[in-house]
Amino acid sequence: AQSVTQLDSQVPVFEEAPVELRCNYSSSVSVYLFWYVQYPNQGLQLLLKYLSGSTLVKGINGFEAEFNKSQTSFHLRKPSVHISDTAEYFCAVISYGGSQGNLIFGKGTKLSVKP
Amino acid sequence: EAQVTQNPRYLITVTGKKLTVTCSQNMNHEYMSWYRQDPGLGLRQIYYSMNVEVTDKGDVPEGYKVSRKEKRNFPLILESPSPNQTSLYFCASSFKAAASTYEQYFGPGTRLTVT
Repeated sequence: AQSVTQLDSQVPVFEEAPVELRCNYSSSVSVYLFWYVQYPNQGLQLLLKYLSGSTLVKGINGFEAEFNKSQTSFHLRKPSVHISDTAEYFCAVISYGGSQGNLIFGKGTKLSVKP
Repeated sequence: EAQVTQNPRYLITVTGKKLTVTCSQNMNHEYMSWYRQDPGLGLRQIYYSMNVEVTDKGDVPEGYKVSRKEKRNFPLILESPSPNQTSLYFCASSFKAAASTYEQYFGPGTRLTVT
C-alpha cells in the first residue's frame, strides 16, 4: 500500500526567505509524484509533477521539487517566497501502472508567508 | 473554458434528508472522482469512475453513492446524511490514464454542513 507523509503541518516564513516543504512516501512499486496547491477558499491546482527523467522538476510560480528515490522523498522548494504563496500544499502519489483511482494525498502543509 | 463545476457550493441540511451534489466537466475526461477534505486529514477519496457506468470505492465510501450515466456528470448522493459527513467536498477529473499525465483537475468545492 502507498502512503504519503508531509512532515510539517504548518510552516511560517518571512517574505523573500527560502522555504522547503517536506514530503516522504512509501510504496512497494514505482510511483508518480505530485504537488498540488490550494489557495484560500479555492480548489486544488497542480503545482508540478514527477513522472520520469530528470529528478529536479520545475513547476509554476517559481517552485521546484526534487525526487530522491533512495530517500523516498519529494520535497518542494522555493528560493524566495511571496505573500501570495500563502496557501496549503499537498503532496500526492500514484503507483506506476496502477489504477488511476489510487491517488493518495498527504495531510497538507499550510504555508504562511509573513511580511 | 475548460473546467469542473460543482453545485451547490454551500449547503446546510439536516440529518437524514437526502441530498445530491452535482459535478460536471467539459473536457471530455474519462476519469472522475470525489474527495472529502477535513482539517488535519487532507483529502480522502470517496468514489471514483474510470468511465461511463464504471465506478469503484475509494478510501471512505460509507454513506455515499455515485452514478456515472454520462461522461460529463458524476453526482455524489448522500441518502441519509449524518453530522460526520460535514466536510468540504471536491470533484476532480482527468484524461484516461496515460503515461504522460495523471493530473487531476479539481472543482471549486462544496461545503456541506449537516446538523
